[in-house]
Amino acid sequence: AQSVTQLGSHVSVSEGALVLLRCNYSSSVPPYLFWYVQYPNQGLQLLLKYTTGATLVKGINGFEAEFKKSETSFHLTKPSAHMSDAAEYFCAVSFAFGGSQGNLIFGKGTKLSVKP
Amino acid sequence: DAMVIQNPRYQVTQFGKPVTLSCSQTLNHNVMYWYQQKSSQAPKLLFHYYDKDFNNEADTPDNFQSRRPNTSFCFLDIRSPGLGDAAMYLCATSRDRGRGGTQYFGPGTRLLVL
Repeated sequence: AQSVTQLGSHVSVSEGALVLLRCNYSSSVPPYLFWYVQYPNQGLQLLLKYTTGATLVKGINGFEAEFKKSETSFHLTKPSAHMSDAAEYFCAVSFAFGGSQGNLIFGKGTKLSVKP
Repeated sequence: DAMVIQNPRYQVTQFGKPVTLSCSQTLNHNVMYWYQQKSSQAPKLLFHYYDKDFNNEADTPDNFQSRRPNTSFCFLDIRSPGLGDAAMYLCATSRDRGRGGTQYFGPGTRLLVL
């Protein structure tokens, strides 16, 4: 069965420090991969996604993620955290085929705190 | 700007009193989704419409229904809300299914059941 695991429900970094949010997936076929961000009492906003092509994907707000097929990972990074990055981040996968094609399977989320 | 709109943003209802949440989109997307998100949890897909075709997730309670009268609008009906139905309800749209298409989310409706 397909699943998404986000390591760490809470991550805290200092302003200006590297942000690293981990995401691993389990799937027998290559998925499409997404990172979404959710601010309090808001909907989800797409940060970036991987479908095909270059495995290093750049997104909005200075975030990027690298698809590593051998490690079944899609970790999200940002070189320098800003206070406005404090939010919850969800990794998700979807698939091109099958009864659930196109449906997003979410990880449990990682809440990022940024300390001054 | 093209967008996904949800009304109301906050909804208070009484235990057992039917409630309807609405979603509209200006993106002209074929697919509309409804998710339930409880506190500190990931969104959980309830059902989706691909054009007029309704697709219910296997574990979605019968208490939850949906209507899509046209491309732009989709409604979530909760026939007899229980305390456990208090959650954020998110509507999303996508142009098509599969192929890595992006889902665009509305701001959500927070439902409180008294």
